[in-house]
Amino acid sequence: GESVGLHLPTLSVQEGDNSIINCAYSNSASDYFIWYKQESGKGPQFIIDIRSNMDKRQGQRVTVLLNKTVKHLSLQIAATQPGDSAVYFCAENANTGNQFYFGTGTSLTVIP
Amino acid sequence: DAGVTQSPTHLIKTRGQHVTLRCSPISGHKSVSWYQQVLGQGPQFIFQYYEKEERGRGNFPDRFSARQFPNYSSELNVNALLLGDSALYLCASSTFLLDEQFFGPGTRLTVL
Repeated sequence: GESVGLHLPTLSVQEGDNSIINCAYSNSASDYFIWYKQESGKGPQFIIDIRSNMDKRQGQRVTVLLNKTVKHLSLQIAATQPGDSAVYFCAENANTGNQFYFGTGTSLTVIP
Repeated sequence: DAGVTQSPTHLIKTRGQHVTLRCSPISGHKSVSWYQQVLGQGPQFIFQYYEKEERGRGNFPDRFSARQFPNYSSELNVNALLLGDSALYLCASSTFLLDEQFFGPGTRLTVL
């Protein structure tokens, strides 16, 4: 079955620095990916998505990179702020309906 | 604009009981998905409904069932509750089948 994993379960960064959160996926048929942010006690919040026909997509302070060759996804957060502290999940969809597979998450802590 | 809403926010049940969780999608969204999130893990897909029809089912026992109503709201039912069913149950809505999914705050179910 599909599996989505993250290399680092925890990440601590200084406020103002850039953060990079990585994600590996195993299903080469996956063609749509979403990054979510989940704060304590809340549901996941959509951050940015990317389809397999792209290798980079930028949003406000965030960039997602997709490397299909090595089945790797990353989320870059520029000028990390204390409000960015949360658990970040990558989710993949292998175009088998609307079923998304989530990784275990990376906990990001921003140090003021 | 109202986001995805879920009720109740918290629920305590005992083993063997039945529970019904409710979800109202974002206005205009026709697809609803249900996820189970155990503490410390990423969400696991349970069901996806689109236009009142089941379009996807995850690896969950038949004790789990769901339905979608003509107004696109949805219910998740769990029978014969087990301790292991304790989790945060998340509902997500999207416009179409394969699209950005927006999550609700979840229902925290505790089974004693």
